[in-house]
Amino acid sequence: GENVEQHPSTLSVQEGDSAVIKCTYSDSASNYFPWYKQELGKRPQLIIDIRSNVGEKKDQRIAVTLNKTAKHFSLHITETQPEDSAVYFCAASNGDYKLSFGAGTTVTVRA
Amino acid sequence: DGGITQSPKYLFRKEGQNVTLSCEQNLNHDAMYWYRQDPGQGLRLIYYSQIVNDFQKGDIAEGYSVSREKKESFPLTVTSAQKNPTAFYLCASSIVLPAHPGELFFGEGSRLTVL
Repeated sequence: GENVEQHPSTLSVQEGDSAVIKCTYSDSASNYFPWYKQELGKRPQLIIDIRSNVGEKKDQRIAVTLNKTAKHFSLHITETQPEDSAVYFCAASNGDYKLSFGAGTTVTVRA
Repeated sequence: DGGITQSPKYLFRKEGQNVTLSCEQNLNHDAMYWYRQDPGQGLRLIYYSQIVNDFQKGDIAEGYSVSREKKESFPLTVTSAQKNPTAFYLCASSIVLPAHPGELFFGEGSRLTVL
């Protein structure tokens, strides 16, 4: 089955700096890669996703890149703000509607 | 108010007892999922269902069972065979797109503690 690894497990950044989270996946058939954000005490919510036929996608301060050859994808957050502090999860789906998540990255934005 | 509702929010169980967690959605989503969330391990898939009367095992199905008799309901039973059941359980639902699941909408979760 699909195995998704996520790094780092924790990330502390100064407000205004960029944050990068990286994930690798094992199943070359995976075709869909969403990112979810879980704020403290709240449910996870989708923030951005990318399909395998696209290399990069951007939405305001967040962007996701995908390297199918290397089987890895990354989340980039620019100009970080305190409200970006949360746990971020990457995930991958190989088309059978089974969505496998990474272990999560706890991001702390320091004021 | 549309959404996905889990109950109970907190549940305590004695060892050896089965317990059922409820998950109901009124979003008219075809797919429903159960995940277990443990610190440092992310979200691990227990079971998922794309359509009524059908479901598939996820990565950690042992010791759990589900049913999908109605589109809006996907209850999870944690059986006494589950060796380490104390955890936070999240239910989710999504539409079914041609090549991948749609956005997952999560419930607020159920925290199960085995005494």
